Amino acid sequence: DAGVIQSPRHEVTEMGQEVTLRCKPISGHNSLFWYRQTMMRGLELLIYFNNNVPIDDSGMPEDRFSAKMPNASFSTLKIQPSEPRDSAVYFCASSSAGGDINEQFFGPGTRLTVL
Amino acid sequence: AQSVTQPDIHITVSEGASLELRCNYSYGATPYLFWYVQSPGQGLQLLLKYFSGDTLVQGIKGFEAEFKRSQSSFNLRKPSVHWSDAAEYFCAVGSFNQAGTALIFGKGTTLSVSS
Repeated sequence: DAGVIQSPRHEVTEMGQEVTLRCKPISGHNSLFWYRQTMMRGLELLIYFNNNVPIDDSGMPEDRFSAKMPNASFSTLKIQPSEPRDSAVYFCASSSAGGDINEQFFGPGTRLTVL
Repeated sequence: AQSVTQPDIHITVSEGASLELRCNYSYGATPYLFWYVQSPGQGLQLLLKYFSGDTLVQGIKGFEAEFKRSQSSFNLRKPSVHWSDAAEYFCAVGSFNQAGTALIFGKGTTLSVSS
């Protein structure tokens, strides 16, 4: 299995631009999670989906952030407009929900720099 | 509210010495506990997890952790550290429902290994 795939791995953009981060979960997993990692705040859960439906988006910092999961194999996290304080590493993770608790498998992350 | 505290931001251990990383949690019910490791520039990898049963759990790479309900702790241990263990370690608590397991992470402990 290829694992969780994220693209791009690195993104440098200017303040005010739109940024779209992409994630392909592991095939067969039906839960998908977006996390943000910063030095100050550590790892924060932004939003998670189950069966393509957003379950909890309370971690999304503000309206500039939006996430979609149009199908079981693809999710996007969009920031519009981006700000320097959005600079962070964004991780996507997936797991199979229901029954026993299962491990979340993390992607390699997207390092976002907003100038 | 659920929370995880890792009291040690940075620990340095000599190669071959024993290691203990501390983790304390706050959770209203029986917690589901995890330890993840993150190597530089990489995503997170699960070391071990505790759901129920034996309070001493074994993980990969020679790590183990012990759940102590009375102390609300889930400390990670390894009897002999290798240089390749240098990384950042995250403790997490999960809340389980049929939609999956949302994880709350501690701020992490960075482990350095000296020769």
